[in-house]
Amino acid sequence: EAAVTQSPRNKVAVTGGKVTLSCNQTNNHNNMYWYRQDTGHGLRLIHYSYGAGSTEKGDIPDGYKASRPSQENFSLILELATPSQTSVYFCASGRWDSYEQYFGPGTRLTVL
Amino acid sequence: GNSVTQMQGQVTLSEEEFLFINCTYSTTGYPTLFWYVQYPGEGPQLLLKVTTANNKGSSRGFEATYDKGTTSFHLQKASVQESDSAVYYCVLGEDSNNRIFFGDGTQLVVKP
Repeated sequence: EAAVTQSPRNKVAVTGGKVTLSCNQTNNHNNMYWYRQDTGHGLRLIHYSYGAGSTEKGDIPDGYKASRPSQENFSLILELATPSQTSVYFCASGRWDSYEQYFGPGTRLTVL
Repeated sequence: GNSVTQMQGQVTLSEEEFLFINCTYSTTGYPTLFWYVQYPGEGPQLLLKVTTANNKGSSRGFEATYDKGTTSFHLQKASVQESDSAVYYCVLGEDSNNRIFFGDGTQLVVKP
């Protein structure tokens, strides 16, 4: 059974609209991460969290907010979506004392 | 800062050929290095890990060696199969914050 799930799997949004991407993990990991994947850029870190109530900025946080209401859930929020945010978004979880991360299946977001 | 470079954007082989993917990294700390593999439609998954203590790692027929002198981290496999077709990422683990840094990835295409 998948330990990191993401919803929705596909999303089409309009420019200026609000988008929320959700992630749930059953690994009981403290750390959670949001990445985006674009051709030629590998995966780039947007926001991450060390536990419920904490969020930290990654390398490309502009235009994104994050929310960690519980150990299991971590959301990525685009308040005003732009076409440049069209991408595939991955959520991951990991233990507090390890570099190893476990990824969800991804969400494909298209902003028109 | 921390960075990872994969120069090979795509590698095309026939089944049973030898695979070699090169990666170089830059860090000021003591690195933990990973290779992640991503199959179509899935998130990345850990393939193997190498630390400065052991210099080598292996998994599923893949081997990786770490050379501190040249700050390089190679992935190799003696005989590839069509099922190995995927994107392979070289990943650097940083000491603080348990963050990891991805290279841009190498697309492996194995022809039957």
